[in-house]
Amino acid sequence: SQLAEENPWALSVHEGESVTVNCSYKTSITALQWYRQKSGEGPAQLILIRSNEREKRNGRLRATLDTSSQSSSLSITATRCEDTAVYFCATDVWTGNYKYVFGAGTRLKVIA
Amino acid sequence: DPKIIQKPKYLVAVTGSEKILICEQYLGHNAMYWYRQSAKKPLEFMFSYSYQKLMDNQTASSRFQPQSSKKNHLDLQITALKPDDSATYFCASSQHSEQYFGPGTRLTVL
Repeated sequence: SQLAEENPWALSVHEGESVTVNCSYKTSITALQWYRQKSGEGPAQLILIRSNEREKRNGRLRATLDTSSQSSSLSITATRCEDTAVYFCATDVWTGNYKYVFGAGTRLKVIA
Repeated sequence: DPKIIQKPKYLVAVTGSEKILICEQYLGHNAMYWYRQSAKKPLEFMFSYSYQKLMDNQTASSRFQPQSSKKNHLDLQITALKPDDSATYFCASSQHSEQYFGPGTRLTVL
């Protein structure tokens, strides 16, 4: 089973609406990252939130972290068509380096 | 300017052949990684290197061999290619816990 899992698997919204993607994870973490991957590109980091943080913002993006329930959320306000992408949460595992374990992603489509 | 360069962007190979995927990063990071992404699986960690030394290997097959000739290079040699190796291979680098990905090499094995 996945160590990190996003839900829902897919969703679509109209431009200008807000949307939230959720993530549940199964390991103890020092940090969780949210990534966005557009078609044909590599994952692009959006927000890194550390285990001692409860909320982090980056422009229209807001990430929350609840270590007691091992969950995180990523909210996007005032969505744009260019926000259409797959959104991943990734949890860190220390093995001499930090490596990240990714979920399968949430496919977001923003409709004009 | 791209900070992580992967070459080639697309690669087609025949079963049984050998290919090398190139990765160079210009972020000044000490840690580099390889991940694989296929249609059937989520982004999957393969290897991590720190200061050109292997730190973690989650790839069961010895057909996959990372090669680090310079601090900012981590190439991936794949031998005896199989159709199941078809995937997009991403190189990444990090300093501390923030990790950045390259654009990927899409490998198709016929």
